[in-house]
Order: sequence, then C-alpha cells, then structure tokens
Amino acid sequence: SQQGEEDPQALSIQEGENATMNCSYKTSINNLQWYRQNSGRGLVHLILIRSNEREKHSGRLRVTLDTSKKSSSLLITASRAADTASYFCARLNYGGSQGNLIFGKGTKLSVKP
Amino acid sequence: GAVVSQHPSRVICKSGTSVKIECRSLDFQATTMFWYRQFPKKSLMLMATSNEGSKATYEQGVEKDKFLINHASLTLSTLTVTSAHPEDSSFYICSARVRTNTEAFFGQGTRLTVV
Repeated sequence: SQQGEEDPQALSIQEGENATMNCSYKTSINNLQWYRQNSGRGLVHLILIRSNEREKHSGRLRVTLDTSKKSSSLLITASRAADTASYFCARLNYGGSQGNLIFGKGTKLSVKP
Repeated sequence: GAVVSQHPSRVICKSGTSVKIECRSLDFQATTMFWYRQFPKKSLMLMATSNEGSKATYEQGVEKDKFLINHASLTLSTLTVTSAHPEDSSFYICSARVRTNTEAFFGQGTRLTVV
C-alpha cells in the first residue's frame, strides 16, 4: 500500500495536555502536509513542511520532519476540546496522474474537557 | 485560503437511482480536481482525477461507468453515482489545488446513503 501510517490510531487526552501524532511514509517527498477532519466534514489544511525543512510552527501546532527516517510528527500544545478531530498526514503521489495526495490512515484525537 | 464548495452535504436515495454531487472552486480556477471516497473510520481513497475539458482518470478498481465524472468548466466538477446500490453508501469528498505541490482545499463532503 502507498498509504502512510499514522500512530497512534486513536489518542485520548485531557484539555491542556499536549498531543503528539506520528506519520511514516515510504517514498521520497517534496513536502508533507497535515490535515484535520472534524467528524463528517471535509478536510482542512493545517500545515505544509517542505523536504528541506526540519521543523515548522503554526500557532499551537508544531510539525517536525525527518527525511532520513521518512517520518513526521504533529504536536498540538495546550490542547482544547475543540481540537477533537481526526488528523491525517499526506504526501504528493508522484506516480499518480496529476499529483493527487496520498493520505495516511489518520489519528483520531479526543480531547476531554 | 481558497474555497471549494461541495453540494449536497447529505443525500439519501433509493437503490437504482442516480445521484449527482457537485464540486466548485469558488475563488480560483482548477484544471484538476480530485474525488475521494472515505469509509467509516478509514482514510481517504482516491477514486478519480477530474480534468477540465477531457476525460477523467480513474484509479484501479473504480468503475468509470458507475462513477461518472464531468469537469465542464474550470470551476465545476461533478460526480454522478449511477444506478446506486447500498454498497455505494459512503462519504465522498472532492478537492482541488491552486497549484501543484501546494496544499489542497477540500469540499465539505457528501454523505450518500442508498436505501
């Protein structure tokens, strides 16, 4: 399968705690992207990290990328109940027709108030 | 960011009927749009790539006669599920990008239930 893998598959934490989600992939990348999906909704882009970047921040989000290990992590600091959602990493499919994204299996995050 | 609008958000139809789902890029032109299907608690699986003015490119295992895609303009792609069956019940999502290698923008998704 070309899909990446996220772990954990599910994560349950208390408000205020940090949440870390990991993503591994199998091929070379130009960039890696993280998306969020609220239940029954479309995906929202969170952050894009390029292959020559090692770390990127956006508000309470911190993404790291280790191309030697083909892995990335998404850290949400000081989590809130509103962060409850599924989080997916995605990479460009170079072998595909016009560059669709290939998504990982996702991590379902539950933040308890 | 750019906006992609998908309609309807929910639809219930009877077996054997056809359902059309629309995907519009509201503030940019999209020569390419992507249609995904998502099963419960699963990731997104690409069904087809929709190309403006030409035939769609379908992924292996996706029946092109069942899932008809039309990309008639630079801002509209439609997915028609023909002769729907209960196993077609799923969550369908479209996406588009302003440029290749940048982030994708997604429609709100369509929950299709075939009864």
